[in-house]
Amino acid sequence: KNEVEQSPQNLTAQEGEFITINCSYSVGISALHWLQQHPGGGIVSLFMLSSGKKKHGRLIATINIQEKHSSLHITASHPRDSAVYICAPGGSQGNLIFGKGTKLSVKP
Amino acid sequence: GAVVSQHPSRVICKSGTSVKIECRSLDFQATTMFWYRQFPKQSLMLMATSNEGSKATYEQGVEKDKFLINHASLTLSTLTVTSAHPEDSSFYICSVRGGSYEQYFGPGTRLTVT
Repeated sequence: KNEVEQSPQNLTAQEGEFITINCSYSVGISALHWLQQHPGGGIVSLFMLSSGKKKHGRLIATINIQEKHSSLHITASHPRDSAVYICAPGGSQGNLIFGKGTKLSVKP
Repeated sequence: GAVVSQHPSRVICKSGTSVKIECRSLDFQATTMFWYRQFPKQSLMLMATSNEGSKATYEQGVEKDKFLINHASLTLSTLTVTSAHPEDSSFYICSVRGGSYEQYFGPGTRLTVT
C-alpha cells in the first residue's frame, strides 16, 4: 500500500464547478503540503498545513491529523486551474513523500 | 516565500558525459536544500538532502558517486550527474527548506541523455 493515496487520479470539470481532491496518508507527519504542477513541470507550493483549514483565494485546504486525511477544494473552478495537484506529507526533517497527483482539467 | 532558480532549465547531453545543475536561493539563506527527480508519469522522488557545509544525505537507491551534490554556500547547491546514461533522463527539481517546514521549489531542469 502506498504511503500517500490521492483520489481521484484524474478529474474533468466544467468551468465554475466546485472541486475536491482527497489525500490519505499512513506516515506520521509534521506538516502536509499541497503542490500544483503545470505541464512544463514547474511546481508551486499552494499550502502547508499541520492542522485545521487554510484558505487562499478560491483554494481551501483542510487536514484531519487524527484521520490522516487532507482535502483540497477549488471553488468556482477555471480553465487556468488545470494542472496536476500533488499531496505531500512531510516529516520532521522536512523531507516530503509525494502522492501520484491528481490531474485536473477544467473545461470552459 | 523564497525565490529559487535552477540552471539550466533544459539540457541535452551525450551518454557518458557529466552534467551540472545549479539550484540557487535568490533571497533566502538556505541551510537545507532538497533534490528530487521525476520520471515521466511518475511521482516526485527525493534523491538527497543537501546541507550547507556538510555531506549530502542520499536516499536509498541513489548512488552518491553518480549524483554528486555540493552545497558550498547558503545560496547555492549543485547536482552533478556523472557519466550520464539515457536512464538518467528525468526532470530534476530542487527545493529550499524554509522555516516551519516550508519548502520553496525551483522551476526544474529537464535532462535528456542521448
